[in-house]
Amino acid sequence: GAGVSQSPSNKVTEKGKDVELRCDPISGHTALYWYRQRLGQGLEFLIYFQGNSAPDKSGLPSDRFSAERTGESVSTLTIQRTQQEDSAVYLCASSLKVREGTQYFGPGTRLTVL
Amino acid sequence: GQSLEQPSEVTAVEGAIVQINCTYQTSGFYGLSWYQQHDGGAPTFLSYNALDGLEETGRFSSFLSRSDSYGYLLLQELQMKDSASYFCAYTSGTYKYIFGTGTRLKVLA
Repeated sequence: GAGVSQSPSNKVTEKGKDVELRCDPISGHTALYWYRQRLGQGLEFLIYFQGNSAPDKSGLPSDRFSAERTGESVSTLTIQRTQQEDSAVYLCASSLKVREGTQYFGPGTRLTVL
Repeated sequence: GQSLEQPSEVTAVEGAIVQINCTYQTSGFYGLSWYQQHDGGAPTFLSYNALDGLEETGRFSSFLSRSDSYGYLLLQELQMKDSASYFCAYTSGTYKYIFGTGTRLKVLA
């Protein structure tokens, strides 16, 4: 594809519900990253994939957060039993390979937990 | 620990030159990147330094000194559209990216 796409662009959910966020990276990019950005703050690393494996999950805030990637393409970030503090923009980025200086970001999913 | 420090805000006038500094503390360092983010938008890549020295890309230049754990982004001929947040980020030994807290640049007419 032309760029990284994410869906949905906006998600409003009730506290306690599960949500799934989707990321379609640029075709051929083996590295995929998830970040969280709270309003007015920097990017918080969550997890990255090299191919379909996730060597570093250290950024996931709690066991309510999980992510997977299939076919070296689409990735989903799942948040179970959402809490109000999960409200943020979730950004996905891809790069040709890990340790690349350049990451291409998607437009993000704005999650609001009521 | 792993951290990056940037000034929180910088103000400059149109046509001027501005430098945004970034100092970092990390074990395992592969390179320093710079990203621009307009309000409500996604970060976009500006520049990357894997080696010491200056990288120039149009009006933007980035510098890295690994021995000083320091880098900066230089923006020349400032334009109103350059008003945005600027983030430095490094690639760590475990291949994850660590982003700074960002510098909000305000360009005044």
